[in-house]
Order: sequence, then C-alpha cells, then structure tokens
Amino acid sequence: DAGVIQSPRHEVTEMGQEVTLRCKPISGHNSLFWYRQTMMRGLELLIYFNNNVPIDDSGMPEDRFSAKMPNASFSTLKIQPSEPRDSAVYFCASRLFGTGRTGELFFGEGSRLTVL
Amino acid sequence: GESVGLHLPTLSVQEGDNSIINCAYSNSASDYFIWYKQESGKGPQFIIDIRSNMDKRQGQRVTVLLNKTVKHLSLQIAATQPGDSAVYFCAGGGDMRFGAGTRLTVKP
Repeated sequence: DAGVIQSPRHEVTEMGQEVTLRCKPISGHNSLFWYRQTMMRGLELLIYFNNNVPIDDSGMPEDRFSAKMPNASFSTLKIQPSEPRDSAVYFCASRLFGTGRTGELFFGEGSRLTVL
Repeated sequence: GESVGLHLPTLSVQEGDNSIINCAYSNSASDYFIWYKQESGKGPQFIIDIRSNMDKRQGQRVTVLLNKTVKHLSLQIAATQPGDSAVYFCAGGGDMRFGAGTRLTVKP
C-alpha cells in the first residue's frame, strides 16, 4: 500500500518566492497533520485537519503560512513570501481517527525546504 | 493541547544493554500516548502506544510504562542494537504534539 506521499522532496528557493508543499494522505485516513522540523525547534505541529476541516492552526507561524485540504486525498501548505528562517523539513502525516482508536500517525518522507 | 517534554536530549548506550527513554506530559486528559522512532532522513515511525487506563504495555523488545501520578512515560528497549540508534519522541492526546525528542546512540 502507498504511504503518505509528499512533494517536492527537496526545494531550494529565494527569499520572497512562494512555496507550495503538497501531501497525499493514506487512502481512508480522516486526519491530516502538517509538521515542521528544525534542529532548534524540534518537530512542531503547524496545523491539523479532521475530515478535511482545519481543527487547530495555532502552530502556524504567521500569516505567511496557509494550509488547505480541498478533499480527503490532497492537502497543501503554502508559504508566501518565503524567508530564510522558513528553511526546515516539512512533514505531512495522516491517520484514521475515531472512537476506540489511538490513531497512530503515518508520516511522509518530508519536504526539505531551503530558502536562500 | 498536549505538552510533552523529554528529560534528556541524548542517550548513549552500549550494544546489548537496555535503554530507558523518559517523557513527561502535562495534559492529564490525554486518552493515550504514542512513542515514535525517527531515523536519519526519514519521518517518525510508530513504535508502541499505551492507553491512559494502562500502566504498562509490552511489544517486541520494547516496553512502555505510564505513571499517571507523576505524569511520566518511559520507553524501555531491551538488548539495544545499532539499528535502534535514532531520535525517539513521545506524543499524546488527540492533537499529537511532540516533545523535543531523545537521540539514542548505540555504541558497538
């Protein structure tokens, strides 16, 4: 079975450019999470969706960050404009969540973003 | 949301020894906790979970202990192997926030 699929795997861009990261969750999963990982801050939860609805976006750093989930099989994380401090590995994860389930997360391989 | 943290950022053990990784949590309402392992260049992967109504759960070479009185979790790895070298995270609650992680290094 296909796992969580993220694209691009690597992106190098210049400050001020728009960055769009994409995620395809595991089919049938009903929750999707976006994380950012850096050496300094560890693995930070940015936002998560249940049934395509954003539940908690308190981890989104600033208005430059936005995330959408137009349907159950696709989500995007957009940064506009990008800044060097946004350089990090961005992970998408999905899970099947519901009554009686602990809902382990399945992570993608991450998108490594470098903003020059 | 859940707030979890780790007692030690790094842990170095000899191959064959047992490892213990600790985690503290603040949200007493969490229904469950999960341990993840992250190898270099990869996303975290599920190791084992435990529900809040349990004190102990065992898997293959791993045991998780939950002490609700002091809000503390531990992950015990028996007979640690070089392949266990990774960063270990605990996460709790419905929103899955992670602590800083503990880097385990296994010396041959």
